[in-house]
Amino acid sequence: DAEITQSPRHKITETGRQVTLACHQTWNHNNMFWYRQDLGHGLRLIHYSYGVQDTNKGEVSDGYSVSRSNTEDLPLTLESAASSQTSVYFCASSAVGAVYEQYFGPGTRLTVT
Amino acid sequence: QKEVEQNSGPLSVPEGAIASLNCTYSDRGSQSFFWYRQYSGKSPELIMSIYSNGDKEDGRFTAQLNKASQYVSLLIRDSQPSDSATYLCAVNPWQAGTALIFGKGTTLSVSS
Repeated sequence: DAEITQSPRHKITETGRQVTLACHQTWNHNNMFWYRQDLGHGLRLIHYSYGVQDTNKGEVSDGYSVSRSNTEDLPLTLESAASSQTSVYFCASSAVGAVYEQYFGPGTRLTVT
Repeated sequence: QKEVEQNSGPLSVPEGAIASLNCTYSDRGSQSFFWYRQYSGKSPELIMSIYSNGDKEDGRFTAQLNKASQYVSLLIRDSQPSDSATYLCAVNPWQAGTALIFGKGTTLSVSS
């Protein structure tokens, strides 16, 4: 069955370290998204991509970067982790077309100490 | 700033009752509307999508859209304890590509 996976599921890192969160989908969806979810803020868009070599900034992109070298993967990199980036991170994907239904991965809980 | 507003709850209903969840949005040009269910510690799961004014039914769920009032609702009939979760409203604003703006969610508690 097609699916979307994220790894690692849990990560503890130290302030200042570079961290990469992986997202892989087998739906062949062109559109992929990264969100963070925090109490009191809900889901906020970090970065998104509409296809290979395409990346776009979302609402809370500072301190994060993404790259899209193939259809299946959109890794999220925290260039220098900060305590404010402690959060739950979700990857999502959607198909091309007028129907913008997004399907979410299981999430990564990141703690920055 | 495009916004999606939901009452945070908790909304408490007895088993078998109808639960009514509401959402308002600020961008009048929004075209696509979604309801996600999120259990504690899990990822959001798409349960309903609606694109035109009126009602859309799927099993025990009914989504209602009123674009003139910029209002979306989700009705859950015959509520079950397993429906206890946070419900997220999401909207695709005009000229936002395929990006969605999410509300902060309403927590529903169904008591047996």
